[in-house]
Order: sequence, then structure tokens, then C-alpha cells
Amino acid sequence: GAVVSQHPSRVICKSGTSVKIECRSLDFQATTMFWYRQFPKQSLMLMATSNEGSKATYEQGVEKDKFLINHASLTLSTLTVTSAHPEDSSFYICSADDRLAGAREQYFGPGTRLTVT
Amino acid sequence: GNSVTQMEGPVTLSEEAFLTINCTYTATGYPSLFWYVQYPGEGLQLLLKATKADDKGSNKGFEATYRKETTSFHLEKGSVQVSDSAVYFCALTVNTGGFKTIFGAGTRLFVKA
Repeated sequence: GAVVSQHPSRVICKSGTSVKIECRSLDFQATTMFWYRQFPKQSLMLMATSNEGSKATYEQGVEKDKFLINHASLTLSTLTVTSAHPEDSSFYICSADDRLAGAREQYFGPGTRLTVT
Repeated sequence: GNSVTQMEGPVTLSEEAFLTINCTYTATGYPSLFWYVQYPGEGLQLLLKATKADDKGSNKGFEATYRKETTSFHLEKGSVQVSDSAVYFCALTVNTGGFKTIFGAGTRLFVKA
């Protein structure tokens, strides 16, 4: 089946620094990748939709200058949390849309746990 | 608008009990429906899906039927195991000028031995 990887799986950074999270589709081409944020014991909140070669579409309330998304190829999207603060600590999950899957099924990465100290 | 409502948890069952997790939706157009499972500390895994009315998705003993008349997609399993303990998310995907997935709040299931 289709596999999506994320790197790193866990990261701890100091307040004020920036952190980059990578999302890769390993065995398929992803026209679209999605970035979600999940708070403890809560559902996934869509942050942005990333289309290869174009600017990401951010959901209402998500700061585009704080959460920089780049989707430079059909297999890689990156999320950079700039000037991170403790309230940015969360579980970030990406997913990728297999263009050949008729049901628009998304394949999810294993998530990245970000802790900002 | 598009939304997914699922029963609040946590749901606590004994091993071999019958499981039902209710899920209803509102959507413009014709959504595809999904159940995802999240084990502790992990990302989401697709459990099953249905793409049109009356379709039944099934996997690992779980099943759900796409009911357009009641806008529901309830998850059922006849006999749960301890290893089924996880959080279950109902979701729909619609095309709103681009495909978007809407998740329910998630239902935590605890299965006791």
C-alpha cells in the first residue's frame, strides 16, 4: 500500500527557533498533501492544503507566516514552524492524496511530536 | 456545510463484546466516507471506506455501511479484542473546489480483558 513518511518523529526545540518537518510519499506521487495539527485527546485540525508547485492554501485562523509550507515536488512537502513558542507544541500529521485513488483516499504519515521549551 | 458527528467517548467494553460507534454526517454533494484508527502515539491508519450509498466497508472484523437516507456510517464489530483499544475517527471527503477531508471528534475505545 501507499506509504507516507515524516521526519523527524519527535523534535524538541527552544522557544524562538524554527523547526522543519518533512513529509514524503514513498511509493506514489502526491498531487496534494495536507498538514494537520492534533492536540492531546482531540481530533485533527486541518492547517493547510499543499499543492505541488503552487502556494499552500491555509485554513482560517492559521498564520501562514508562522507555518511555512513548501511542496517542491510530487513526493515531498515541508512544514516549517518559525519562531516557535511553547503553544506550538503539538502533534503534526501530514497526509498525501494518491492521484490514482478514485475515492480520494488520503494516506497519513506517522506524525511528528513537537515540543517547544 | 460539511461536518461529521460521532458519539462521544470513551467507550469501555469487555473483550468479545459487540461494538457500535455512531457517526452521522452533513455534506454538500456526494462524499466518500471513512473510518480511521489511531493507536497510542501513532498516526492515523485507514480502517475502512465506502464511496457511495449502500456500500459496505469492512476490514479486520469491523464494518460500516454508507446510509444516505439517514446520513450515517456507523462502525460495528461483533467481538472486540483488547488490541482494538484505540481512537476511532469517522471522516468524509468532499470536493469543494479541491478535495478536503473533514474529521469527527474521535471516539476512544477501551477494551478490558
